[in-house]
Amino acid sequence: ETGVTQSPTHLIKTRGQQVTLRCSSQSGHNTVSWYQQALGQGPQFIFQYYREEENGRGNFPPRFSGLQFPNYSSELNVNALELDDSALYLCASSLGLAGAQYFGPGTRLTVT
Amino acid sequence: AQRVTQPEKLLSVFKGAPVELKCNYSYSGSPELFWYVQYSRQRLQLLLRHISRESIKGFTADLNKGETSFHLKKPFAQEEDSAMYYCARGYNTNAGKSTFGDGTTLTVKP
Repeated sequence: ETGVTQSPTHLIKTRGQQVTLRCSSQSGHNTVSWYQQALGQGPQFIFQYYREEENGRGNFPPRFSGLQFPNYSSELNVNALELDDSALYLCASSLGLAGAQYFGPGTRLTVT
Repeated sequence: AQRVTQPEKLLSVFKGAPVELKCNYSYSGSPELFWYVQYSRQRLQLLLRHISRESIKGFTADLNKGETSFHLKKPFAQEEDSAMYYCARGYNTNAGKSTFGDGTTLTVKP
């Protein structure tokens, strides 16, 4: 059984640029949730994908968008990066909406 | 908006002592409560969820709807329990749309 993987591990971008983060869900899991974790804070829910459809969004602007592919892997795209977007981005997969979440190791994004 | 409060950022106990990590949540709908743990250099992982009513690694947590609390307890702390603990609330139909607290760092001293 393969766990949740995320790429890249670290990323440095300049304000105004765009970034794509990737998440491979655990084998058999069809649900992916994305979280942003600022330093010293708990993860904050961005959005969730279930069977390739967005299934809910947290309090994040439209420049945060995502995709889920037929193999249930997922992407998080952030346009027009701002300094405050600097954070650890976590994805978690689960089997179904009510299933336990399994987290990836995260992508550390730094915006300068 | 949903809210999860973990009042202690840091908690330190001696090995063998009881430990309680506090968590309060804002009440609405049918919440499901979780505790997640992150050991040093490891990823965030589920410790327990209240609907399972399990005891994991000696930890238990009881949902108190009257006090809107879901405190995590262990009668005898071990050094390997040292970690960051996050309380989170989701829904019984959707564990993924979770609101997390800001975490408590537990240190168990020898």
